[in-house]
Amino acid sequence: DAKTTQPPSMDCAEGRAANLPCNHSTISGNEYVYWYRQIHSQGPQYIIHGLKNNETNEMASLIITEDRKSSTLILPHATLRDTAVYYCIVNLDYGGSQGNLIFGKGTKLSVKP
Amino acid sequence: SQTIHQWPATLVQPVGSPLSLECTVEGTSNPNLYWYRQAAGRGLQLLFYSVGIGQISSEVPQNLSASRPQDRQFILSSKKLLLSDSGFYLCAWSEKGGRNEQYFGPGTRLTVT
Repeated sequence: DAKTTQPPSMDCAEGRAANLPCNHSTISGNEYVYWYRQIHSQGPQYIIHGLKNNETNEMASLIITEDRKSSTLILPHATLRDTAVYYCIVNLDYGGSQGNLIFGKGTKLSVKP
Repeated sequence: SQTIHQWPATLVQPVGSPLSLECTVEGTSNPNLYWYRQAAGRGLQLLFYSVGIGQISSEVPQNLSASRPQDRQFILSSKKLLLSDSGFYLCAWSEKGGRNEQYFGPGTRLTVT
């Protein structure tokens, strides 16, 4: 089972910031928070990940609360192409036998004109 | 830059027929490789992962098998397909040495009739 809880759906106006929340109250000290998204009929796309500090890259920002029990993915200026299912995943930061990303149901973000 | 290829993109096969899906990665060496399946309306399920040539681990018992004959080639097979094998099959790779960012291929949509 997924270790995260996300709202099933959200709407956002084009050009506005999209803030996607995620609860992960059982996260352990060495687990990272990963975000992926899946546009319809495509493979998932890695967005960002972090341990405890806030992170930013060209796609998004990740805000992790001080107690690490929740986080928010921020798309600063959402476009129609950001319409997708967004997955928040908690996992160890190495692959192979520990690389099993458990994708839950995610949040379906609809960006509207 | 790294790229991941999967083929075919779509496939319709009758029950009881064999299956072979291929995944290749370019631009990296000795990657971790993964096969996932996404059934209609459901999340991704990890089927197999591989940390090296000839090294395959299965995450769930099933009608499928995987092989890694070359460093950057990962094959998913079945001797006799079942209706329940229908789904969207995704191959992914990640680097060794501490980063679990997984990069997904475009996927193969399999329909078993």
